[in-house]
Amino acid sequence: GQNIDQPTEMTATEGAIVQINCTYQTSGFNGLFWYQQHAGEAPTFLSYNVLDGLEEKGRFSSFLSRSKGYSYLLLKELQMKDSASYLCAVIDSNYQLIWGAGTKLIIKP
Amino acid sequence: IAGITQAPTSQILAAGRRMTLRCTQDMRHNAMYWYRQDLGLGLRLIHYSNTAGTTGKGEVPDGYSVSRANTDDFPLTLASAVPSQTSVYFCASSPSSGGSTDTQYFGPGTRLTVL
Repeated sequence: GQNIDQPTEMTATEGAIVQINCTYQTSGFNGLFWYQQHAGEAPTFLSYNVLDGLEEKGRFSSFLSRSKGYSYLLLKELQMKDSASYLCAVIDSNYQLIWGAGTKLIIKP
Repeated sequence: IAGITQAPTSQILAAGRRMTLRCTQDMRHNAMYWYRQDLGLGLRLIHYSNTAGTTGKGEVPDGYSVSRANTDDFPLTLASAVPSQTSVYFCASSPSSGGSTDTQYFGPGTRLTVL
């Protein structure tokens, strides 16, 4: 079966750095997305990786290793507004989007 | 304002009743999707449409039906609601006609409770 694993919950301190990991086992791979979802709101796009390596976008970076079936989202200079769930999703060989359950990130002052 | 709208925002429904969740997008996207989101689970695809006039089944289609008469609208119907259909429902769209790596854009969601 297809599987995406993320930690259920993480806690970090305002101003710090946090890394949210995602491992996947899917039938084929055509790319990986990270979305942010604030409580009670819709998921919004953060990043897309299809090649190995690090993609940096402001305070957020996303890394992919296809050989290891692994990605992480790195958030720097954490702000209270970064408190949200972070969803990892993989496009499989049929171009279906397979979603992880999400990681709830709690930021403490 | 370009985007996706969903209606209603929330609804409490008696079991056995019929309900249609509405979704409209004004981005002229070809593909549209319906997901449900339950606590502790990832988003699960109910039905999708790669282009107007076509629909397909996702991971959890039972008890749901969709139609895509035009590009903008993609309603989801629960013919006879059951308590296990209590969930948050998200509609999404993407530019291309399926089989792509396009980003999906989500509507604000409908919170449905079936009693």
